[in-house]
Amino acid sequence: DGGITQSPKYLFRKEGQNVTLSCEQNLNHDAMYWYRQDPGQGLRLIYYSQIVNDFQKGDIAEGYSVSREKKESFPLTVTSAQKNPTAFYLCASEGTSNTGELFFGEGSRLTVL
Amino acid sequence: GIQVEQSPPDLILQEGANSTLRCNFSDSVNNLQWFHQNPWGQLINLFYIPSGTKQNGRLSATTVATERYSLLYISSSQTTDSGVYFCAVVGAGGFKTIFGAGTRLFVKA
Repeated sequence: DGGITQSPKYLFRKEGQNVTLSCEQNLNHDAMYWYRQDPGQGLRLIYYSQIVNDFQKGDIAEGYSVSREKKESFPLTVTSAQKNPTAFYLCASEGTSNTGELFFGEGSRLTVL
Repeated sequence: GIQVEQSPPDLILQEGANSTLRCNFSDSVNNLQWFHQNPWGQLINLFYIPSGTKQNGRLSATTVATERYSLLYISSSQTTDSGVYFCAVVGAGGFKTIFGAGTRLFVKA
């Protein structure tokens, strides 16, 4: 089935450790996005990539890093520099017609102890 | 940047009731989407509707781009409709999707 796969779904880490969240899509979409959601809040854009080997900071990029070496993959690293990393992280890709229609993965819930 | 406001922020319905959710945006948009976030956190695409009216079963949506608002109608609500409904837009000339704060819906059995 075509779709966006995020892993892991749940992740616990100690403070000070870097964490990498995986996002893979087989929809042949060029653009991919990472959003953060805090409890009871909307979505905020962390990073986005419109094409392989290129990515741009979103509204809350500090403490995060990404790579886009393959069209299918857009991993997000939550570094120890992120002051409040506990959150729900959602990956999305954009339809190939470039209309801006987003499709989301199931999300990864990160808890830093 | 473009602002997106959703109302009401919270809504409690008895099963079987109808409801209307509203999304206002502050500038022209290239596209608009409605999503349902289920209790497990997954965002489900409901409608891609930059203008006009669409229907899908008990749900329908209307966007009046010239007046900068969109409405999501839920008829004969069911408990499985509970969750958060988000409106998201891309401003004209832009490409980033901006989300509203959402409407939290709880449908009682």
